[in-house]
Amino acid sequence: DAGVTQSPTHLIKTRGQQVTLRCSPKSGHDTVSWYQQALGQGPQFIFQYYEEEERQRGNFPDRFSGHQFPNYSSELNVNALLLGDSALYLCASSLRPSGVQLVEAFFGQGTRLTVV
Amino acid sequence: AQTVTQSQPEMSVQEAETVTLSCTYDTSESDYYLFWYKQPPSRQMILVIRQEAYKQQNATENRFSVNFQKAAKSFSLKISDSQLGDAAMYFCAYSAGGTSYGKLTFGQGTILTVHP
Repeated sequence: DAGVTQSPTHLIKTRGQQVTLRCSPKSGHDTVSWYQQALGQGPQFIFQYYEEEERQRGNFPDRFSGHQFPNYSSELNVNALLLGDSALYLCASSLRPSGVQLVEAFFGQGTRLTVV
Repeated sequence: AQTVTQSQPEMSVQEAETVTLSCTYDTSESDYYLFWYKQPPSRQMILVIRQEAYKQQNATENRFSVNFQKAAKSFSLKISDSQLGDAAMYFCAYSAGGTSYGKLTFGQGTILTVHP
């Protein structure tokens, strides 16, 4: 089991550019959540996807958007990059919320984005 | 809005000794879950222990145990027989239950140093 995989591991972009980060969930998981973790801080929830739709969203501007594919993998897109978008972006996978079984999230190793 | 507070930015412990990390949270929900995650320098967030709010019994996982005080909204982590491999950043996290499950709210983190 490969666990949650994210690509790329590191990325450097220029202010104003657009970036796409990718995540493949753990085998058997159908839900993907994205988090932004600034240096020395706790992760902040961006949004969650299952059944190819955004289900929950944190307090992030519309410049942050996502997509989930039929194979449950996901992309995070950030437009018009700002210096403040520099952070570690973490992907977590789990099973969709239900009253029957609640599965804890498994995290990938993240993508370190630097905006210059 | 739910909040999670970790008031100890840094803690240290001698190998084989016991250490307790503190966490308080605020929520108006009755159905929720609390977690402790460990993040070593490799960046990957690893689940240490999970507590369901409806359970009165404190969760334990080998050397890790929690003290869940629901009325006080306190959720501390005790690490017994500390090992060098326990050194990491520790995050307390909260998730509401039901369809909101999986949207994790993290605290600011506590850096744990283990001295040989």
